[in-house]
Amino acid sequence: GAVVSQHPSWVICKSGTSVKIECRSLDFQATTMFWYRQFPKQSLMLMATSNEGSKATYEQGVEKDKFLINHASLTLSTLTVTSAHPEDSSFYICSARVSGQEVSGNTIYFGEGSWLTVV
Amino acid sequence: DQQVKQNSPSLSVQEGRISILNCDYTNSMFDYFLWYKKYPAEGPTFLISISSIKDKNEDGRFTVFLNKSAKHLSLHIVPSQPGDSAVYFCGYNQGGKLIFGQGTELSVKP
Repeated sequence: GAVVSQHPSWVICKSGTSVKIECRSLDFQATTMFWYRQFPKQSLMLMATSNEGSKATYEQGVEKDKFLINHASLTLSTLTVTSAHPEDSSFYICSARVSGQEVSGNTIYFGEGSWLTVV
Repeated sequence: DQQVKQNSPSLSVQEGRISILNCDYTNSMFDYFLWYKKYPAEGPTFLISISSIKDKNEDGRFTVFLNKSAKHLSLHIVPSQPGDSAVYFCGYNQGGKLIFGQGTELSVKP
């Protein structure tokens, strides 16, 4: 199946610094990518929809100035957590939708996730 | 407002028995539902889906049932295996993006 890769898998950063997480579709083009976060024992919460060549669309309650999303190519979206705080510590997961395809289990693929710990 | 709800946060089943995971929804306009399986520290993987025009879809040990009058769907796993232990999310397509329920953690004991 299609592969979506996230990097880094684990990152620890100091409070107040910024950290960037990359999401790459390795063998397909993805006009649209999605960013989720998951706190322990909780659901996958959609944060934003990343659109290639345009601004991301953020879900209600998600601070766009804190979670910067860039989708500069058809295979790469980045999430930058700016001025990170301990409460930003979470598991961040991206997914990518195959370009030109409707949403289905066979057209959306998830990355492995990235653990962020802010100390 | 959560339009898809998984009211059971956890479920424990003996190996070989049936696992039934439930999902309730409020919006009848959904085209289809999808079930994903997630292991700790990994991304979700697609399991099975069902179109709103069907009431059942089967794939090996996994069967999803849709009861439109009750706005309820369920995922049946039979026989359950220890490797099925994971968190299961039901999800739906909302304007091109996947929205998930709260998840149910399944534990299959040997």
